[in-house]
Amino acid sequence: DAMVIQNPRYQVTQFGKPVTLSCSQTLNHNVMYWYQQKSSQAPKLLFHYYDKDFNNEADTPDNFQSRRPNTSFCFLDIRSPGLGDAAMYLCATSRVRADTEAFFGQGTRLTVV
Amino acid sequence: GQSLEQPSEVTAVEGAIVQINCTYQTSGFYGLSWYQQHDGGAPTFLSYNGLDGLEETGRFSSFLSRSDSYGYLLLQELQMKDSASYFCAVVNYGGSQGNLIFGKGTKLSVKP
Repeated sequence: DAMVIQNPRYQVTQFGKPVTLSCSQTLNHNVMYWYQQKSSQAPKLLFHYYDKDFNNEADTPDNFQSRRPNTSFCFLDIRSPGLGDAAMYLCATSRVRADTEAFFGQGTRLTVV
Repeated sequence: GQSLEQPSEVTAVEGAIVQINCTYQTSGFYGLSWYQQHDGGAPTFLSYNGLDGLEETGRFSSFLSRSDSYGYLLLQELQMKDSASYFCAVVNYGGSQGNLIFGKGTKLSVKP
C-alpha cells in the first residue's frame, strides 16, 4: 500500500503558467518535506513542515510556495514556472522532527514547455 | 552553511565489497542517514547512525564518527541490483527546526 502518494506522476506545464503538485500521506506523520531533484543531482530541500509550522530553506526561490491544509496533504505551488524549474519533485514524510527515517513518494516529474 | 562530500562514482564487481565515504559540515547535527535511489525511482531509506560506531543491516553496514564528521556505507556481497545512487543525508535539529539535507550522491555501478 502506497504510504506517500504524489499526483500526478508526470506534469507538463507551460512557461509562466502556475502549477500545483500534490502530496498525501497515510502515515499520520508530523513532518512533511518537499525536495527538488534535477538529473544526476542530490534532492534539494525546498520546504518542510513540522505539523503546521512552515520552514523555508534560505535559498528556495520566491516562485515556490507551499501549503499544508491538514496532516495528510501538502501542496507545492510554482507561481511562474521557468525552464529551470523542470525537475523531479519529491515529497517525503517523517514521524517527528529529526527522525531517523524519511519516507518518500514516487515523485512528480515536471516538464516546462 | 551545510555541506556533505561523497565520491561521485564508484564501480565494483559482483560479490565484492564497496565502501562509500561521506564527510559533512553542519550545525545542529543529530545523525547521518543513507538512502538508495534507482534511476527514475524515489530515495529509499537504508540506514541511520545517531551514535558513533557501526550499524549492520543485512549486507549493508553504516559507520559514524561524530568527532571526525565522517561516515561510510559498506555494501557487501554486491549484486547487480545494487547498481544505484547512494546518498548520505544529515539529520539536523537546528534551533526549533529539524531537517534532512542530502549529499550529492555516489553512483554505484556493479559489473558482472
